[in-house]
Amino acid sequence: EAQVTQNPRYLITVTGKKLTVTCSQNMNHEYMSWYRQDPGLGLRQIYYSMNVEVTDKGDVPEGYKVSRKEKRNFPLILESPSPNQTSLYFCASRPIAGATYEQYFGPGTRLTVT
Amino acid sequence: GENVEQHPSTLSVQEGDSAVIKCTYSDSASNYFPWYKQELGKRPQLIIDIRSNVGEKKDQRIAVTLNKTAKHFSLHITETQPEDSAVYFCAVIDSGTYKYIFGTGTRLKVLA
Repeated sequence: EAQVTQNPRYLITVTGKKLTVTCSQNMNHEYMSWYRQDPGLGLRQIYYSMNVEVTDKGDVPEGYKVSRKEKRNFPLILESPSPNQTSLYFCASRPIAGATYEQYFGPGTRLTVT
Repeated sequence: GENVEQHPSTLSVQEGDSAVIKCTYSDSASNYFPWYKQELGKRPQLIIDIRSNVGEKKDQRIAVTLNKTAKHFSLHITETQPEDSAVYFCAVIDSGTYKYIFGTGTRLKVLA
């Protein structure tokens, strides 16, 4: 089954404690992204990657890091989380060529930073 | 860069009525226009998309129309049902960066 998986689905942590949210896709997509979703603010892109070892900042990259060492994986790293990073996070992937550019989203990770 | 505006932000309709959501964009080179539906607590999922070489596309009760000259596209839902209640996002792919640019979303409520 074609899918994007994220882990963990829920996470409560404390300020300053480094964390990683994993993302994996099995569709051989080149393009992967991380979004955060906050009430009234829609989907805001944090980082994206157009292929292995190629990453770039999105609209709200401050406080986040990513890496793309393998095509299927795109982890999101919060080196020193702060309460303003409490949010719902989605990983997504899509092809960069072909008949459709449909973006497939993971199930989401709800992060609370206290 | 590309800019996308989506209206209205909320929309309430009676069951069985039609709903229309509109998005405008700024980059005339954009050529792919998807619509995503996000039910409460769920991930966004593609419901319909259109390429710039087509003016309209239909899939059962949903349709998307595109006006490239005016740079706007619209989602039309006919015979609305309670399960259509969700947040709908339009999007455009920026022709320079290949980034998805999402609209701010429309919360649709279908009243029984």
